Amino acid sequence: AQSVTQLDSQVPVFEEAPVELRCNYSSSVSVYLFWYVQYPNQGLQLLLKYLSGSTLVESINGFEAEFNKSQTSFHLRKPSVHISDTAEYFCAVSGTYSGAGSYQLTFGKGTKLSVIP
Amino acid sequence: DGGITQSPKYLFRKEGQNVTLSCEQNLNHDAMYWYRQDPGQGLRLIYYSQIVNDFQKGDIAEGYSVSREKKESFPLTVTSAQKNPTAFYLCASSVREGSYNEQFFGPGTRLTVL
Repeated sequence: AQSVTQLDSQVPVFEEAPVELRCNYSSSVSVYLFWYVQYPNQGLQLLLKYLSGSTLVESINGFEAEFNKSQTSFHLRKPSVHISDTAEYFCAVSGTYSGAGSYQLTFGKGTKLSVIP
Repeated sequence: DGGITQSPKYLFRKEGQNVTLSCEQNLNHDAMYWYRQDPGQGLRLIYYSQIVNDFQKGDIAEGYSVSREKKESFPLTVTSAQKNPTAFYLCASSVREGSYNEQFFGPGTRLTVL
């Protein structure tokens, strides 16, 4: 079984300040990790993902996340936030498809980022 | 443009009525999913389907039903047996086979029971 813990349910931060949204996971198999963003009354959009290779992954709008296997973490960071980054962020983990049955995407409960002008 | 559409955006229902939420995708994905989202609880899986004419219960299937007659469509019916149906419902899809399960989401339907 796999699980995801997002340690902070709400994170307020001033505009242009740095932010880190924390995510820890547990899994008995190799994992693939995702961050999704959800703006109010909208669906989820993929922000970035770790599949293999470099442990540091980046998005097109300045977010980055680092896969740390020893600490089972995949924290999301941005050095300088904007008002438009106000949204809810979900960390998710997927196991490897085995060919027999399904493999689910397990989500954390989300972190609401509020950027204060 | 490929994507997932959900309709309607907002839906109101009286207690005791069944209601069906639509989900259509043109991404040629085999697998489709329904999630329920409540404040502070993240996403909870209701049903999923990996192939046409086959579907499985998720974590909170009671009071819901689905069908998968076409690859592109995966409608969700919220029945009168669902005790607390007011929520935001999200549909998603993914390729069935591959190393990992990356899901693509629709815009959601907000259901309110009056």
